[in-house]
Amino acid sequence: DAGVIQSPRHEVTEMGQEVTLRCKPISGHDYLFWYRQTMMRGLELLIYFNNNVPIDDSGMPEDRFSAKMPNASFSTLKIQPSEPRDSAVYFCASSQTASGNTIYFGEGSWLTVV
Amino acid sequence: AQRVTQPEKLLSVFKGAPVELKCNYSYSGSPELFWYVQYSRQRLQLLLRHISRESIKGFTADLNKGETSFHLKKPFAQEEDSAMYYCALRGSTLGRLYFGRGTQLTVWP
Repeated sequence: DAGVIQSPRHEVTEMGQEVTLRCKPISGHDYLFWYRQTMMRGLELLIYFNNNVPIDDSGMPEDRFSAKMPNASFSTLKIQPSEPRDSAVYFCASSQTASGNTIYFGEGSWLTVV
Repeated sequence: AQRVTQPEKLLSVFKGAPVELKCNYSYSGSPELFWYVQYSRQRLQLLLRHISRESIKGFTADLNKGETSFHLKKPFAQEEDSAMYYCALRGSTLGRLYFGRGTQLTVWP
């Protein structure tokens, strides 16, 4: 398997624009996680899905952020409108069932909002 | 509540010296503990997990339930060990990982 695949790898956008980050989990994994990494706050869990259903979205910063998982092989994280403070690395990760299985990370999407 | 604490944000050692990265946790159930490593501008990779009880790249970590710790150790650090290290906890009934803030390890030549 190619692992967790994220796109785009890098994005620079202007404040106010919509940003869509995409993730393809490892085939057969039923958990999908979106994390944000910043120097100030470290790794923060934004939201995670189990069998395409959002389980915990308490980490989503505000209404500007939304995430969907329309099927088992695809998820999006959308920021609308984007702000400079959203600049971060956004990681997607996936795993099989909850207990006893490793969570695998994608290479991250490096977002810069100017 | 679940919590993972890595008290050292930065840690520097010289090549060949022993290194220990500290991790303490709080969780009322039976935790699964992990160490992830992130080399510069790369993805997080699993380094080791307590249930495997294995040594990866010379690193070991023992779960001490009495002290609620899962410290990462290596007897002789190498320059290529320089990276960010994250301790993480996953509860037996929880899907998600709880991460510590990370420790940036620098190994000097």
